[in-house]
Amino acid sequence: AQKVTQAQTEISVVEKEDVTLDCVYETRDTTYYLFWYKQPPSGELVFLIRRNSFDEQNEISGRYSWNFQKSTSSFNFTITASQVVDSAVYFCALSPIIQGAQKLVFGQGTRLTINP
Amino acid sequence: DTEVTQTPKHLVMGMTNKKSLKCEQHMGHRAMYWYKQKAKKPPELMFVYSYEKLSINESVPSRFSPECPNSSLLNLHLHALQPEDSALYLCASSQGTGNQPQHFGDGTRLSIL
Repeated sequence: AQKVTQAQTEISVVEKEDVTLDCVYETRDTTYYLFWYKQPPSGELVFLIRRNSFDEQNEISGRYSWNFQKSTSSFNFTITASQVVDSAVYFCALSPIIQGAQKLVFGQGTRLTINP
Repeated sequence: DTEVTQTPKHLVMGMTNKKSLKCEQHMGHRAMYWYKQKAKKPPELMFVYSYEKLSINESVPSRFSPECPNSSLLNLHLHALQPEDSALYLCASSQGTGNQPQHFGDGTRLSIL
């Protein structure tokens, strides 16, 4: 069985603070994909990053960075110098590698509020 | 604006009504998905179409009937729904290779009276 745990239900910080969203996953597969999605109040899920299980390199994209550690089954997401526009629900998700489509398993999500 | 378009944005229907949700994408994606999302919960996968064929049905009740008329369109036909079916219904699409991210629409917010 596959499972994604986002232990932080809600986080509230003041603008310009750094914030880290935790994600821990469970899978018996040796190959898989991990994702982070952002869901603003408008409802759509916005893709942020995909990482496959072969690639443990950390990634930075502007103010966003991701730390993938296979040894601890974690895929954490850090926002540096947070802004009010970062307020949203963030989902971590896991998918096995299957042909033709994905079967995403989402964590419960972390509601992030950035206060001015 | 998202590249996956869902209509209608909002739908209120009675338990005896029949209605359909529509999803359209023009990115050439060959996999399309329906998700159900209750308030303060993550999306739950309902159906997956791969190359216009139903490849995954997550034991969804038969009152939900998906249809994929062509590679750009995905419908979800609704009949005799229950109040607990009230939710945000999200459509997504991805390239048919299995390793590309899904692109989501804004969703249809469905209320069952």
